[in-house]
Amino acid sequence: GAGVSQSPRYKVAKRGQDVALRCDPISGHVSLFWYQQALGQGPEFLTYFQNEAQLDKSGLPSDRFFAERPEGSVSTLKIQRTQQEDSAVYLCASSLAPGGSREGTQYFGPGTRLTVL
Amino acid sequence: AQSVTQLDSHVSVSEGTPVLLRCNYSSSYSPSLFWYVQHPNKGLQLLLKYTSAATLVKGINGFEAEFKKSETSFHLTKPSAHMSDAAEYFCVVSDRDFGNEKLTFGTGTRLTIIP
Repeated sequence: GAGVSQSPRYKVAKRGQDVALRCDPISGHVSLFWYQQALGQGPEFLTYFQNEAQLDKSGLPSDRFFAERPEGSVSTLKIQRTQQEDSAVYLCASSLAPGGSREGTQYFGPGTRLTVL
Repeated sequence: AQSVTQLDSHVSVSEGTPVLLRCNYSSSYSPSLFWYVQHPNKGLQLLLKYTSAATLVKGINGFEAEFKKSETSFHLTKPSAHMSDAAEYFCVVSDRDFGNEKLTFGTGTRLTIIP
């Protein structure tokens, strides 16, 4: 079946530009997560949605980062006025179970590699 | 806060020999622990997970891990390495703050298989 998809796969932005990254979770998955993976590092949590509600945004590094999931399916991560330190792979994951379930395996998309020049 | 420490950033083994990737965790609760694998230019794939059932967990592709609470360890093993096992491996603990299953990743171990 279809997995988590993300688009674009690669994005090059000039410093100061705004970017929008899209995530299509597995159909029916309640939970959606965004992670940021810097080069040579493990992914780091950014934010979490349960359906359309953003329940945890503690990992967003600054107010330039904004995420939404208005209809409880597709999600968009927006970065305003990009900086060079925003260069990373942005990963989306979805889970069938709502937050707090110990059985909620997260399935990851291929990621969007963002390069800010 | 929960965390994991992957003790080796890089492991090299010969094809056909055993694999051991080490991980220690820190958790205030009874943790859920995972191993994920990341092949170049591919997404993260779940190898196995521990969620307070059997302490010896079997995963895909012949991998297994043992949860040892007394040692706060969750090491990943495989009896015989295959060339296709070359990848980056992440030990992961779930952080159940805020009632969600956000994952905290280790820094990764790059596994190289020598022909």
